Amino acid sequence: DAGVIQSPRHEVTEMGQEVTLRCKPISGHDYLFWYRQTMMRGLELLIYFNNNVPIDDSGMPEDRFSAKMPNASFSTLKIQPSEPRDSAVYFCASSSKDRVFNEQYFGPGTRLTVT
Amino acid sequence: DQQVKQNSPSLSVQEGRISILNCDYTNSMFDYFLWYKKYPAEGPTFLISISSIKDKNEDGRFTVFLNKSAKHLSLHIVPSQPGDSAVYFCAARGGNKLVFGAGTILRVKS
Repeated sequence: DAGVIQSPRHEVTEMGQEVTLRCKPISGHDYLFWYRQTMMRGLELLIYFNNNVPIDDSGMPEDRFSAKMPNASFSTLKIQPSEPRDSAVYFCASSSKDRVFNEQYFGPGTRLTVT
Repeated sequence: DQQVKQNSPSLSVQEGRISILNCDYTNSMFDYFLWYKKYPAEGPTFLISISSIKDKNEDGRFTVFLNKSAKHLSLHIVPSQPGDSAVYFCAARGGNKLVFGAGTILRVKS
């Protein structure tokens, strides 16, 4: 299996622009997670889905952030409008239902820079 | 309010010696603990875990110890190898979430 795939790997954008991050989970995994990594706060859970349905979005920082999972093999995290403080590495992770909160498989991340 | 804390941002160890990475938590409801390892430009990968009903779990060179009364866990790597140089994240399961610490950078010098 190819593992969790994220695109783009790097994104540089100007403040105010819309940013869309993409994720393809491991085939057969029922759960998908979006995390953000910063130096100050480490890895923070933003939102997670079960069977394409958002279950907990309490970690989403503001209304500028939104996430969708239109099918089992694709999810997006959108920031509109983007701000410099959104600069971070964003990870997508997936897991099967029997290992969902024991072990998650992470993608390589998208490094976002907002200038 | 960080529920999982890794107070040492970095650790440097000589090859062949023991590496000890520490993690403290505040929520007594956490029932499962994990360590993830992360190399540059890659996502974190699962390393080892321990249930709250145990106090030790061993997997090869890696051992995790849990002290529930102190709300403290540690990861021991013996012997340390240069390939172990990475960022190590401690994580705890609470309800339906994994809560991660900020990570500790381990450097193993050859």
